[in-house]
Amino acid sequence: AQKVTQAQTEISVVEKEDVTLDCVYETRDTTYYLFWYKQPPSGELVFLIRRNSFDEQNEISGRYSWNFQKSTSSFNFTITASQVVDSAVYFCALMFYSGAGSYQLTFGKGTKLSVIP
Amino acid sequence: NAGVTQTPKFRVLKTGQSMTLLCAQDMNHEYMYWYRQDPGMGLRLIHYSVGEGTTAKGEVPDGYNVSRLKKQNFLLGLESAAPSQTSVYFCASRPRLARGEQFFGPGTRLTVL
Repeated sequence: AQKVTQAQTEISVVEKEDVTLDCVYETRDTTYYLFWYKQPPSGELVFLIRRNSFDEQNEISGRYSWNFQKSTSSFNFTITASQVVDSAVYFCALMFYSGAGSYQLTFGKGTKLSVIP
Repeated sequence: NAGVTQTPKFRVLKTGQSMTLLCAQDMNHEYMYWYRQDPGMGLRLIHYSVGEGTTAKGEVPDGYNVSRLKKQNFLLGLESAAPSQTSVYFCASRPRLARGEQFFGPGTRLTVL
């Protein structure tokens, strides 16, 4: 089964605090891709990062960083020095091969982050 | 480039009515998807298409039909709307490459009374 679990439903932090959003995935595939998307209050989905299963290097982009660990099937997302504009729902997603040349995304249920000024 | 567009943005239906949601993309992407988003459920795949003239069922296909007559358009139909279909619907597209991210439309908020 292909599954993504985001155990944290809602998180509140005070501005400038660091926060980590957890993502645990399940798959039997050896080739797969992991994504994070941001959904601000305006409702659109914004792509943040993609990582393939063969690349376990951590990635940093400004205040954002991602920790991919195949040993624990986790792809966690950390925001350093959080800002009010980071308030959003964040989705972790797993892309897997679904047959007949097709790939599908399965999403976690999302973590709602509120950054309090 | 407009990217992925969805028509309409909002719609209110009465139970039993029918409607079609239109998704259009101008990026020449092969793959297109329809999702629904419900509170606390994340996004769930309804139907998808790997190319013009092809469609396949996703996780929650019941009550919906789709068509992909042109590469750039993917239509989602509700033949007899039910209150359980009240949701926000997102369309997405992506290129054939496996690494390709999905590009999402702005969403359609549908309410069925």
